Amino acid sequence: AQSVTQPDIHITVSEGASLELRCNYSYGATPYLFWYVQSPGQGLQLLLKYFSGDTLVQGIKGFEAEFKRSQSSFNLRKPSVHWSDAAEYFCAVGSHTGTASKLTFGTGTRLQVTL
Amino acid sequence: GAVVSQHPSWVICKSGTSVKIECRSLDFQATTMFWYRQFPKQSLMLMATSNEGSKATYEQGVEKDKFLINHASLTLSTLTVTSAHPEDSSFYICSARDRDWFTEAFFGQGTRLTVV
Repeated sequence: AQSVTQPDIHITVSEGASLELRCNYSYGATPYLFWYVQSPGQGLQLLLKYFSGDTLVQGIKGFEAEFKRSQSSFNLRKPSVHWSDAAEYFCAVGSHTGTASKLTFGTGTRLQVTL
Repeated sequence: GAVVSQHPSWVICKSGTSVKIECRSLDFQATTMFWYRQFPKQSLMLMATSNEGSKATYEQGVEKDKFLINHASLTLSTLTVTSAHPEDSSFYICSARDRDWFTEAFFGQGTRLTVV
């Protein structure tokens, strides 16, 4: 069964500092990987996704993620964090077999940004 | 990106009553919709997957008679929590995608259900 681990429950960074959120996945085949952001009381917004090709993926809001098959990781990075980036971040792995497709989410990392 | 509208944003109901949550894709045809449940400070747990015109596929442990899902059209899916109890209080989120798996699934803004 597929699974996603986000080791960091809560991270605090200063505004302007760099950010890296960790994500490790377990999946038997080629994974489809996603990062979502959720503001309090809101739904999820897709930041970026990886299906194939270039292992460094660029997303919205200045985020990027790198797929490393050897490490089963898909860490999210941003070179300079803004106060508005404070939110909950979820990594997810997608599976698609026949007519069935689903996303499995990690437990999330809450990002706090200090001014 | 495409818009998925979920209604209501929050609802309070009495124990034993039923409540319906709507999920609409506003500018695309959603052949597949997903319903998730999120407990405070926890991740999203997939409850069920529904394909337009078909019965929903429920995840293990989810009571299909309690959480009724209808996906009668390409733009609307509903989740009805029947005979609600306080333990059903949670944040429910829907997502929808069109035919192509390689396109993203768009999420609604969620519904906060409180059963008193």
